[in-house]
Amino acid sequence: GAVVSQHPSWVICKSGTSVKIECRSLDFQATTMFWYRQFPKQSLMLMATSNEGSKATYEQGVEKDKFLINHASLTLSTLTVTSAHPEDSSFYICSARETGGGTEAFFGQGTRLTVV
Amino acid sequence: AQSVSQHNHHVILSEAASLELGCNYSYGGTVNLFWYVQYPGQHLQLLLKYFSGDPLVKGIKGFEAEFIKSKFSFNLRKPSVQWSDTAEYFCAVIARDDKIIFGKGTRLHILP
Repeated sequence: GAVVSQHPSWVICKSGTSVKIECRSLDFQATTMFWYRQFPKQSLMLMATSNEGSKATYEQGVEKDKFLINHASLTLSTLTVTSAHPEDSSFYICSARETGGGTEAFFGQGTRLTVV
Repeated sequence: AQSVSQHNHHVILSEAASLELGCNYSYGGTVNLFWYVQYPGQHLQLLLKYFSGDPLVKGIKGFEAEFIKSKFSFNLRKPSVQWSDTAEYFCAVIARDDKIIFGKGTRLHILP
């Protein structure tokens, strides 16, 4: 199957700093990528839909100025957590759909963010 | 709003037992339904999917799921589980706005 690579796998940062997470589709092009957040023992919550070449669409309750999403190419989307706080500590997962390839989504391995 | 409900949060079974994990969704239109699995330390992987046609869908590793439209359900089954099936299982639906909505997941432990 198609491969989605997420980097880094884990990161620890100080409160007030910003962290960038990358999501790459390695062997296919993805017009649309999705960013999820998963709290312990809870489901994946969709944060935003990232569209190549245009602004991301954020879900209700997600601060667009705090979670900056950039989808500059068909194989790369980035999520930047700005001015991170301990409550932003979570597991972030991206997924991508192949352009013209139907509705199956392929997932990255996730990034565990810890803000201290 | 669309939602997905998984009834079992944590299931413990012995090897060779039969498995059924419940999934219900709330959406009245055409849906695409999925079951994903996440083995410890690994990515989410697609187990099976339903788009249309035969409501009994067969997936990888001996899993199957049945779409029952009248019950808004898409339960996952396996007749005989193995220790290697220990994982977390997520039911998901794609609804009208093309977003993937996940259930809360079911953590499955298989005792050897």
